[in-house]
Amino acid sequence: EVQLVESGGGLVQPGGSLRLSCAASGFTFSNYWMSWVRQAPGKGLEWVANIKEDGSKKFYADSVKGRLTVSRDNTNNSLSLQMNSLRAEDAAVYHCVRIRFGEILPHWYFDVWGRGTVVAVSS
Amino acid sequence: DIQMTQSPSSLSASVGDRVTITCRASQTTSCLNWYQQKPGKAPNVLIYSASTLHGDVPSRFSGSGSGTDFTLTISDLQPEDFAIYYCQQSHSFPITFGQGTRLEIK
Repeated sequence: EVQLVESGGGLVQPGGSLRLSCAASGFTFSNYWMSWVRQAPGKGLEWVANIKEDGSKKFYADSVKGRLTVSRDNTNNSLSLQMNSLRAEDAAVYHCVRIRFGEILPHWYFDVWGRGTVVAVSS
Repeated sequence: DIQMTQSPSSLSASVGDRVTITCRASQTTSCLNWYQQKPGKAPNVLIYSASTLHGDVPSRFSGSGSGTDFTLTISDLQPEDFAIYYCQQSHSFPITFGQGTRLEIK
């Protein structure tokens, strides 16, 4: 079964740091781009970052650029999100998401989602 | 940035109805996807590339459109279809979602 399981969420003070992890199983992790997508309480979906299969390319939302860093370990089938200088507006459920390319390149979409891990930012 | 605007923001319908949700992009996009999210759950992809049904998504779901205007149609609404629906463009970075359409039972 294809599965993504996030961990590492919690309560952190403004300006603090947190590291999220995502354990992937049931598929060849190194063959897929991966992503983080977040959802603030009662709000819609917000894309955070994408990372290429081999980690050589990364893309970020402007709202997190310079503060959040995505990385991956293909040996251990894991995705990470290092979160620094956290702000109140970073509070959300963070989903680890697999990217799949469609039949028409370069079309792609989010095809497998983890249940998410909760990040709360408060003093 | 490509802004995605969905309409309506919410709608009420009955089991068996046919409903249409619209998504408008602020610029032409060649890749438009639709997701369904139920309370407390992660989203699930329904349609990608505007009109391709994903996996075993029921055929009562359909998507159409191109350029800047796209629609998601659900025919013969079933009880399990009441959820929030999001469109999303993956044409260019930053990736953006619509604000969501809440489909409620009338």
